[in-house]
Amino acid sequence: TQLLEQSPQFLSIQEGENLTVYCNSSSVFSSLQWYRQEPGEGPVLLVTVVTGGEVKKLKRLTFQFGDARKDSSLHITAAQTGDTGLYLCAGSHSGTASKLTFGTGTRLQVTL
Amino acid sequence: DTGVSQDPRHKITKRGQNVTFRCDPISEHNRLYWYRQTLGQGPEFLTYFQNEAQLEKSRLLSDRFSAERPKGSFSTLEIQRTEQGDSAMYLCASSSVWGEQYFGPGTRLTVT
Repeated sequence: TQLLEQSPQFLSIQEGENLTVYCNSSSVFSSLQWYRQEPGEGPVLLVTVVTGGEVKKLKRLTFQFGDARKDSSLHITAAQTGDTGLYLCAGSHSGTASKLTFGTGTRLQVTL
Repeated sequence: DTGVSQDPRHKITKRGQNVTFRCDPISEHNRLYWYRQTLGQGPEFLTYFQNEAQLEKSRLLSDRFSAERPKGSFSTLEIQRTEQGDSAMYLCASSSVWGEQYFGPGTRLTVT
């Protein structure tokens, strides 16, 4: 059972468009990570958020942790073809170095 | 390269055979995790170690699965009497006691 629901599941956009991916849960997490995964490879860590309301920026990517630490969002500005991949949120109840509960994933396709 | 490595990258086996996968963590990391990812899903936690001690096991880890980390460095995951439902990507990650998890490239298992 996936405790973290991501939406949308699939997203196909053109280069230059903006998009937002949501990660929602009924559970409170002590930390939440976002990963990106390419086909046939392991997930690559993008960011970790730990404080309710926290906002972190990574170039064109903006990550926010909900005030209640139950949800998160990832916003990409001016998407590029290199942003294509599977975006996964993952929450932990006991810090980043304990088991992660992953979301269902959002598959993003960016075309020219 | 000092990242997490996994061997083999791909394994095709017949139903009923035993398979063993290896994971070498980042050298200074004392926590090591195993996850399983089926097609279209996010990874699911299987088990994790701190040094050589196995601290937590998921109920997903049936009696046919066993994981070891004998010297607190590399780890092995063995699946006995494989079934078609075991077909998945098996991911290994490592972290320090308080740090974030970094994933290896995974082992893709296909049971025919």
